[in-house]
Amino acid sequence: AQSVTQPDIHITVSEGASLELRCNYSYGATPYLFWYVQSPGQGLQLLLKYFSGDTLVQGIKGFEAEFKRSQSSFNLRKPSVHWSDAAEYFCAVSGGGNAGNMLTFGGGTRLMVKP
Amino acid sequence: DAGVTQSPTHLIKTRGQQVTLRCSPKSGHDTVSWYQQALGQGPQFIFQYYEEEERQRGNFPDRFSGHQFPNYSSELNVNALLLGDSALYLCASSFPGSHEQYFGPGTRLTVT
Repeated sequence: AQSVTQPDIHITVSEGASLELRCNYSYGATPYLFWYVQSPGQGLQLLLKYFSGDTLVQGIKGFEAEFKRSQSSFNLRKPSVHWSDAAEYFCAVSGGGNAGNMLTFGGGTRLMVKP
Repeated sequence: DAGVTQSPTHLIKTRGQQVTLRCSPKSGHDTVSWYQQALGQGPQFIFQYYEEEERQRGNFPDRFSGHQFPNYSSELNVNALLLGDSALYLCASSFPGSHEQYFGPGTRLTVT
């Protein structure tokens, strides 16, 4: 069964500092990987996705993520954090075949930004 | 182009009651998935509907059921509500065969 682990429950960074949120997945074949962001009381917005090809993917709002098969990781990065980036971030995986396209999410990382 | 819409926004029910939540998919999407997000946790997959049939189901009891209509909109029904059913219920839609899902704003269900 597929699973996702986000080791950091909370992260606090200063505005303007760089950011890296960790994500580790477990899936037998090549996974489809996603990062979503959720503001308080809101739905999920897709930041970026990896399906195949270039392992460094660019997303919206200046975010990027790198797929590392050898480490089963898909970490999210941003070079300079803005106060508006404070939110909950979720990594998710889906597979093909019998797994269909159901998403399995990690527990999330809450990002706080210090002025 | 309207995105995924859900109704109602908030709902308060009593234990043992039944509830129906509604979802309209993004234009052009015909697959609808439902997720439950308990407070402080990541969303969990409930089930997915395509061509008016349940195609996949997560680890949820039969108290959770759904329906998809010919216009691709969908309902989630929960019977015999428990306190533990209190959560944000998210609907997501996608194109046929696509792994990219678009989420609605959710319905916040509180069971007292």
